[in-house]
Amino acid sequence: DQQVKQNSPSLSVQEGRISILNCDYTNSMFDYFLWYKKYPAEGPTFLISISSIKDKNEDGRFTVFLNKSAKHLSLHIVPSQPGDSAVYFCAASEYGGSQGNLIFGKGTKLSVKP
Amino acid sequence: GAVVSQHPSWVICKSGTSVKIECRSLDFQATTMFWYRQFPKQSLMLMATSNEGSKATYEQGVEKDKFLINHASLTLSTLTVTSAHPEDSSFYICSAKGGLVYEQYFGPGTRLTVT
Repeated sequence: DQQVKQNSPSLSVQEGRISILNCDYTNSMFDYFLWYKKYPAEGPTFLISISSIKDKNEDGRFTVFLNKSAKHLSLHIVPSQPGDSAVYFCAASEYGGSQGNLIFGKGTKLSVKP
Repeated sequence: GAVVSQHPSWVICKSGTSVKIECRSLDFQATTMFWYRQFPKQSLMLMATSNEGSKATYEQGVEKDKFLINHASLTLSTLTVTSAHPEDSSFYICSAKGGLVYEQYFGPGTRLTVT
């Protein structure tokens, strides 16, 4: 059973507009959430993260929102750029600072059109 | 940011042979390293977790005798695919983390093709 779900396999957005990528989780023990960006045939690149004690974290064009009651988080990219086109993975951790195993969603492929 | 390298980036081997993949943390000490496998159009699947100097912890369904993991130092972990078969062909990615931080930093991946 998937503990981290990204229900949209793909998303297409016009350059300059907002991209919103969604992620849902089922395990209430998750206490840290991360977003990774991945290009084909490359390893994922860490993008932004959020602790469960916060509901928002912002880093430049990227903002992650966490709604614990809904077990939902989202990544907002504003403004979207063609270079943002990639697969975005949502990940969650329930082990805190020990092992730190990450549970990944299946990813959402973002296409930003010029 | 933290840099993790993998070698080789691409390898082709014959069925029945063994292949070793190296994962190195270049600018930090990786107390924990992870090995993932990714099939086309699928998510990253954790294979095993290793802490420096101790035996790796394998996920359910991963054969530890087939996928040998060694984490001999704080900057190097190796994955050896023994007696490789065509179904082992995949994209293998390692990641590393140091201390009590949550973030894992990923290597660029290794494409393994078994003929």
